[in-house]
Amino acid sequence: DTEVTQTPKHLVMGMTNKKSLKCEQHMGHRAMYWYKQKAKKPPELMFVYSYEKLSINESVPSRFSPECPNSSLLNLHLHALQPEDSALYLCASSQSDGGSSYEQYFGPGTRLTVT
Amino acid sequence: GNSVTQMEGPVTLSEEAFLTINCTYTATGYPSLFWYVQYPGEGLQLLLKATKADDKGSNKGFEATYRKETTSFHLEKGSVQVSDSAVYFCALKASGGSYIPTFGRGTSLIVHP
Repeated sequence: DTEVTQTPKHLVMGMTNKKSLKCEQHMGHRAMYWYKQKAKKPPELMFVYSYEKLSINESVPSRFSPECPNSSLLNLHLHALQPEDSALYLCASSQSDGGSSYEQYFGPGTRLTVT
Repeated sequence: GNSVTQMEGPVTLSEEAFLTINCTYTATGYPSLFWYVQYPGEGLQLLLKATKADDKGSNKGFEATYRKETTSFHLEKGSVQVSDSAVYFCALKASGGSYIPTFGRGTSLIVHP
């Protein structure tokens, strides 16, 4: 199974809502990533978890809160978002973050719209 | 720092035409190089990779050769199909320091029947 799954596929939320994005992989990968992607742009790294510990936070606003409950799951909790946060949110995993030859496996993404 | 430069798109071709998408990079050490493809409404998926100089990655008719002397990793396909229409991202992962990939800007490919 070389699949990364993400739910929901689409999400519309108001600026006062709280919601969560979920990501799951069963490839035994020990590194998991959250990216934000705007239209016609490359993915922008938000967070990296390595062996279930947060190893990189790319100065992301606190209204985004990641969580890694176990080695297969990754969540992104959203609170008090702004309209400019509307984007495609991609989850990815790789064998570890310590090998330059390890490719990333991406999920299909959650299309988030903040109204 | 590390960087990836891709040709600006969109690249528009007729079916069965030859495709080249240029990618050059700047990195210290010996990076690994990747091409990812993103079809409309989907996430990125690995198309091919090369981990050392002169390696050729290939998949689904696409090829790219790791050229250290020209710091390039150009993507080629001999005969494109309408179904190849997508955005193509060149990326590198450096061999030392951060192992987080650096992506190019992406090149949109549009193939007409």
